Amino acid sequence: DIQMTQSPSSVSASVGDRVIITCRASQSISTWLAWYQQKPGKAPKFLIYDASSLQSGVPSRFSGSGSGTDFTLTISSLQPEDFGIYYCQQADSFPRTFGQGTKVEI
Amino acid sequence: EVQLVQSGAEVKEPGESLKISCKGSGYSFTNYWVGWVRQTPGKGLEWMGSIWPGDSDSRYNPSLQGQVTISADKSITTAYLQWSSLRASDTAMYYCATGKDWGRYFDYWGQGTLVTVSS
Repeated sequence: DIQMTQSPSSVSASVGDRVIITCRASQSISTWLAWYQQKPGKAPKFLIYDASSLQSGVPSRFSGSGSGTDFTLTISSLQPEDFGIYYCQQADSFPRTFGQGTKVEI
Repeated sequence: EVQLVQSGAEVKEPGESLKISCKGSGYSFTNYWVGWVRQTPGKGLEWMGSIWPGDSDSRYNPSLQGQVTISADKSITTAYLQWSSLRASDTAMYYCATGKDWGRYFDYWGQGTLVTVSS
């Protein structure tokens, strides 16, 4: 299985800050990567796919980059509603696997 | 509007069987993969498997080793996840989700079904 490792495990930032979350795959996954946001008691929300494509309706302050084994999710100007846990997921091969999550606190 | 509505929370004893459901609406149910994802505090998000409701072709996470069965009834646009013999370790929140890009990603999610297995 492809292991996905996220860092940091948690980050505390202020409104307006730039936040960067990284995700590393245990082997190359090209750009087959997604990012999700989850708030307490809710299902994950799909944000980004193919490493850098923004899902319809997701604010443009969210962006993704990377290829191969190293990826980043950037929130350019953190907003109060951006708190939650962010997960990456590889879509290169079965079984699909997720990172362990990064908690973003405002 | 795409919606996935899951069945309600369940409390079961070890060894019992269970089938939970996920009803899709607002899209062509037979033309998108439906995946099941488990969430536990200890293991985070885990993909369990996916099904193509059009012909019931399915893929499973090998780690489950046949512990679950995924099925679908396209006549009522509903996917299912079932166990024949539950274990305490099956206690988790279970989500269904539609699979974008031929099932690579999970774009629309159900609200989740909490399964508690305890004696």
